Amino acid sequence: DVKVTQSSRYLVKRTGEKVFLECVQDMDHENMFWYRQDPGLGLRLIYFSYDVKMKEKGDIPEGYSVSREKKERFSLILESASTNQTSMYLCASSLIGLALGEQYFGPGTRLTVT
Amino acid sequence: QQQVKQSPQSLIVQKGGIPIINCAYENTAFDYFPWYQQFPGKGPALLIAIRPDVSEKKEGRFTISFNKSAKQFSLHIMDSQPGDSATYFCAASLNQGGKLIFGQGTELSVKP
Repeated sequence: DVKVTQSSRYLVKRTGEKVFLECVQDMDHENMFWYRQDPGLGLRLIYFSYDVKMKEKGDIPEGYSVSREKKERFSLILESASTNQTSMYLCASSLIGLALGEQYFGPGTRLTVT
Repeated sequence: QQQVKQSPQSLIVQKGGIPIINCAYENTAFDYFPWYQQFPGKGPALLIAIRPDVSEKKEGRFTISFNKSAKQFSLHIMDSQPGDSATYFCAASLNQGGKLIFGQGTELSVKP
């Protein structure tokens, strides 16, 4: 079974803090993704990566950065957290070339910025 | 043009009913349309998916209906059960995978 794990289920940070969200997958997937989930807005893509050290902006990259130094690990960084970044953050992974493009999601990190 | 619009936002049905969730898209280049199911406290998981060369796909009690000319697709759940209570997301992508564009989500509650 594919397993995608996220470092924290709940996180509370203060405005202006630097925040790191970690994601690890154990199935040697090339693609990794970071989404945020907000009620009524669905899942919105922040960043994705097709390979180690490669990254591409998604639909809402402002205020975020990412790091992928190893194939299995994809980190989301909030350089200076703000209250409008309070959200559920979901990490996902998938294989390149998989015909149906199934993405496997982690359980999510609920981040609160006060 | 990259959006996927999903409705309704929430839905309550009785056990045995047939909830229907609808999605519409603009970009005719989309070629893969999955549905994801998310239970509370869990990440979404792929439920069923369809490609635009077929009009319907059924897996167990779940059916996707696809109308290419109207640029719409929908999820039907036959004989719905309380265990089907979850949030459902439709999505679309280009090039048969990779980056997905999700709808807004539908919170389904099936009452016993």
